[in-house]
Amino acid sequence: EAGVVQSPRYKIIEKKQPVAFWCNPISGHNTLYWYLQNLGQGPELLIRYENEEAVDDSQLPKDRFSAERLKGVDSTLKIQPAELGDSAVYLCASSRTSGPYNEQFFGPGTRLTVL
Amino acid sequence: QKEVEQNSGPLSVPEGAIASLNCTYSDRGSQSFFWYRQYSGKSPELIMSIYSNGDKEDGRFTAQLNKASQYVSLLIRDSQPSDSATYLCAVNRDAGGTSYGKLTFGQGTILTVHP
Repeated sequence: EAGVVQSPRYKIIEKKQPVAFWCNPISGHNTLYWYLQNLGQGPELLIRYENEEAVDDSQLPKDRFSAERLKGVDSTLKIQPAELGDSAVYLCASSRTSGPYNEQFFGPGTRLTVL
Repeated sequence: QKEVEQNSGPLSVPEGAIASLNCTYSDRGSQSFFWYRQYSGKSPELIMSIYSNGDKEDGRFTAQLNKASQYVSLLIRDSQPSDSATYLCAVNRDAGGTSYGKLTFGQGTILTVHP
């Protein structure tokens, strides 16, 4: 079974530039998550999708961040404009279902550096 | 008080010893608990999940859960240098509504197994 796929793996941009990250979940996984991980910290949830519906985006900074999951499969997370503080690793995860007993599997992440 | 707290590290153990990693959580209604291993520069990898009080064993790993004490631990027997990584505790708070299925992570404990 193929794992969660993310691209790009690394991205370096100037502040105020836009950036986009792409994620393809494990086949058959209906729930998709975007997390942000700062150095020395655990991942923090940005947004959760069930199929194509964003069911929890309470932690997404909506002034600059946006996400979509068209057709309920792959997803894109965008930042526009990027700020220095956005430098972090952006992780995508998926699970077969939502709920308290779901096991979430992570992709390799995208390491973003904003200069 | 942080929602999920892990014992401060780094933790250093000799090869062949038992490594004990601890985690406490604040929400008494939490339903499920997960341990992830994260190698430097890599994404979190799920190694154990536990839902009921007691012990759950998988190879050299044993997860222990005590909901009354709001405590979950991970024991690694016969520790190997390849076990050197950051271990993340994650708790599904099942707070209902949009938080259904949301994982909250601790800050991680760095484990070093020296030969």
